[in-house]
Amino acid sequence: EAGVAQSPRYKIIEKRQSVAFWCNPISGHATLYWYQQILGQGPKLLIQFQNNGVVDDSQLPKDRFSAERLKGVDSTLKIQPAKLEDSAVYLCASSSSDRGTEAFFGQGTRLTVV
Amino acid sequence: AQKITQTQPGMFVQEKEAVTLDCTYDTSDPSYGLFWYKQPSSGEMIFLIYQGSYDQQNATEGRYSLNFQKARKSANLVISASQLGDSAMYFCAMREGWGDDKIIFGKGTRLHILP
Repeated sequence: EAGVAQSPRYKIIEKRQSVAFWCNPISGHATLYWYQQILGQGPKLLIQFQNNGVVDDSQLPKDRFSAERLKGVDSTLKIQPAKLEDSAVYLCASSSSDRGTEAFFGQGTRLTVV
Repeated sequence: AQKITQTQPGMFVQEKEAVTLDCTYDTSDPSYGLFWYKQPSSGEMIFLIYQGSYDQQNATEGRYSLNFQKARKSANLVISASQLGDSAMYFCAMREGWGDDKIIFGKGTRLHILP
């Protein structure tokens, strides 16, 4: 079974530029999460999708971040314009809707904003 | 309010000793699940163990066990016979409600295993 795929693995951009991350979840997983993990901290949930609908985006900075999950499969997370404090690892995870199932994580995208 | 609290920022343990990583949680939902993940320096998040709020017995997975004390709202991870490869960040996480609710993480504990 293929795992959660993310790209790119690394990205360096200048502040005020835009960037997009892509995630392909495990086949059949209805729930998709985007987390932001700043160095030395735990992952912070940015947005959660159930199929192609948003379940929770309460911590997504909507003035600069956007995310979509078209057709309920893969997803993109965009930052425009980027700030220095957006430097972090962006983790995508997916899970089935069964009770007790864990979230499976991708390798993450390490973003550096200079 | 912090829903998941991990009070140990870092720990040093001698190889082959057992280690307990602390986790307390806060929820008013009677249905919830608790997870532990390991994050090595390479960055991937590796699922270790799960405990459901209605599970009668403490979860075990190989050298990992979860000391679940519901009344105290604690879910400590116990690693028996620690190995050098156990050196990593460990995160406690919680999902409230049924399977489609969000999973929130604690700040983590960095574990160092000494040879």
